[in-house]
Amino acid sequence: SAVISQKPSRDICQRGTSLTIQCQVDSQVTMMFWYRQQPGQSLTLIATANQGSEATYESGFVIDKFPISRPNLTFSTLTVSNMSPEDSSIYLCSVVLLAGVVETQYFGPGTRLLVL
Amino acid sequence: GIQVEQSPPDLILQEGANSTLRCNFSDSVNNLQWFHQNPWGQLINLFYIPSGTKQNGRLSATTVATERYSLLYISSSQTTDSGVYFCAVGSGGGADGLTFGKGTHLIIQP
Repeated sequence: SAVISQKPSRDICQRGTSLTIQCQVDSQVTMMFWYRQQPGQSLTLIATANQGSEATYESGFVIDKFPISRPNLTFSTLTVSNMSPEDSSIYLCSVVLLAGVVETQYFGPGTRLLVL
Repeated sequence: GIQVEQSPPDLILQEGANSTLRCNFSDSVNNLQWFHQNPWGQLINLFYIPSGTKQNGRLSATTVATERYSLLYISSSQTTDSGVYFCAVGSGGGADGLTFGKGTHLIIQP
């Protein structure tokens, strides 16, 4: 497996502000994803972070609200823009690693965001 | 999109008990993974199992792809097994974003 780190691990923000979350992997990976886990809920895919091109967003998520960068094969950022209390969630990045013919998805530790 | 249903939603057991968690999905999948989210929020990958049976220690999983369900078995439960167990599926192969079920919240009491 890979070592995946996220910064910050947690933050408390004021509504109307923006927060950029970083995801760093210790090896090059092709696929990186961003998920959101609202309090007490399951995980929802936000977008696929594509290296060198625009991210691919899932239904209900837009680039203006969640801009994503993927400058190389080991790093990605997710920005939560113009935050409201409804954005309070855990944000997780994940990567796909190849083990033989099996492609398994691994998750970072998450960023806990509270918006006041 | 694919719908994923997990049952039971909550389960409370005594240490040493066995349990079976179920995951039903609404369409054919090429990727199915089971995760354990510990009380600190970390997601641990348990199995990649789009079909067949796998075992890892006290845990095993079986997916019957033709009938669109998967089962996770936990034997001789320990308190450290507590947490939320998620089933997640994808239809485009391993390198796709996953659709998660709502999870089974498991509490193992000493």
